[in-house]
Amino acid sequence: ETGVTQTPRHLVMGMTNKKSLKCEQHLGHNAMYWYKQSAKKPLELMFVYSLEERVENNSVPSRFSPECPNSSHLFLHLHTLQPEDSALYLCASSLYRGSTDTQYFGPGTRLTVL
Amino acid sequence: AQTVTQSQPEMSVQEAETVTLSCTYDTSESDYYLFWYKQPPSRQMILVIRQEAYKQQNATENRFSVNFQKAAKSFSLKISDSQLGDAAMYFCAYRSAFGETSGSRLTFGEGTQLTVNP
Repeated sequence: ETGVTQTPRHLVMGMTNKKSLKCEQHLGHNAMYWYKQSAKKPLELMFVYSLEERVENNSVPSRFSPECPNSSHLFLHLHTLQPEDSALYLCASSLYRGSTDTQYFGPGTRLTVL
Repeated sequence: AQTVTQSQPEMSVQEAETVTLSCTYDTSESDYYLFWYKQPPSRQMILVIRQEAYKQQNATENRFSVNFQKAAKSFSLKISDSQLGDAAMYFCAYRSAFGETSGSRLTFGEGTQLTVNP
């Protein structure tokens, strides 16, 4: 248990569905991240939020829409996904102080797009 | 851009033995941080160990230690007295010390799948 939780743990959706992934951190951190982990590929950073503002959008398609309503919660809204979007989606958080921080990860949501 | 390379897709070790996982990276920066993360079958990514590039002393956490060779841009992980619970995918990651005003970007390697044989 790292203090970062994600729901749901598994999600199956059709290409026309709209769903949301939720991440919550209980560590008092000030930055949160979404990563995508596909088979045979390194983790890909999708979004970075710092102090509830998006500071990075790593060329992610608009069918993925992040939301950070406060420093403890992060959402990833999904709509009209493609089968190639099937992957493990990992949330992480960190406490940024000066030039250093360490990211702690949640257990991930296994997404399957039919 | 920084890159991280793990040249061993799979490794195996006998229980109680020692194994070393390799990682090399490419960067033009002088200050940065390196990490090893472990991802067991549960898929939970767990921090194993962290190294600051400005520190010459190799980091150690119980049975886990690193061999950090800055000039060679090498950052290997040594697991001593391997246990069945060490079986997992291990990822090496790089973080610049000159990040954005807040938040940070981690660059990951492709991972090494470690099997521990009883």
